[in-house]
Amino acid sequence: NAGVTQTPKFQVLKTGQSMTLQCAQDMNHEYMSWYRQDPGMGLRLIHYSVGAGITDQGEVPNGYNVSRSTTEDFPLRLLSAAPSQTSVYFCASSYSGGAYTFGSGTRLTVV
Amino acid sequence: GESVGLHLPTLSVQEGDNSIINCAYSNSASDYFIWYKQESGKGPQFIIDIRSNMDKRQGQRVTVLLNKTVKHLSLQIAATQPGDSAVYFCAENTEGAQKLVFGQGTRLTINP
Repeated sequence: NAGVTQTPKFQVLKTGQSMTLQCAQDMNHEYMSWYRQDPGMGLRLIHYSVGAGITDQGEVPNGYNVSRSTTEDFPLRLLSAAPSQTSVYFCASSYSGGAYTFGSGTRLTVV
Repeated sequence: GESVGLHLPTLSVQEGDNSIINCAYSNSASDYFIWYKQESGKGPQFIIDIRSNMDKRQGQRVTVLLNKTVKHLSLQIAATQPGDSAVYFCAENTEGAQKLVFGQGTRLTINP
């Protein structure tokens, strides 16, 4: 049981490049979320999903897209990276929307 | 709007002492609260949770207190150990909201 797996762990992008942050969970959790964490800002919700085929926006969705084609996977796409998207990204999942289990994060730098 | 905040950004305690980390929330509709611990370079780790129909819940060396009247949450850690050094976040959820709102975090430092 691996829990929540995020890849890659580190990534450097140039401004304007696109990429996808991967997130997978093997706990059969229906609820999944993406957060970003900036220094002194805590965790801010980007997008979340309550099941396959269902996604919704969080607090800071601009510049990010998500999809949920399977229960296990919830990728986060950056269409055109900007320096303001430099952050640590966390994926999390929950069985019922209660206590979420977090992945170990992806540290993204946009130059 | 929804917001969860913390009274103190940093807290230093002596090893073996008890520590109390506070959290204020503003959404009176929130009915589920969680404390997370985050060590450097790692994702948040669940510590303890409490539902709004409870005032207190105890775990191993940790206790969470909920005061709904003043919308205040606290985490008490007994007999702190060096391994307790981390950033602690409170988070709130509202039934049906399907999402967690996090506070800014408190950095707890344990002095030897």
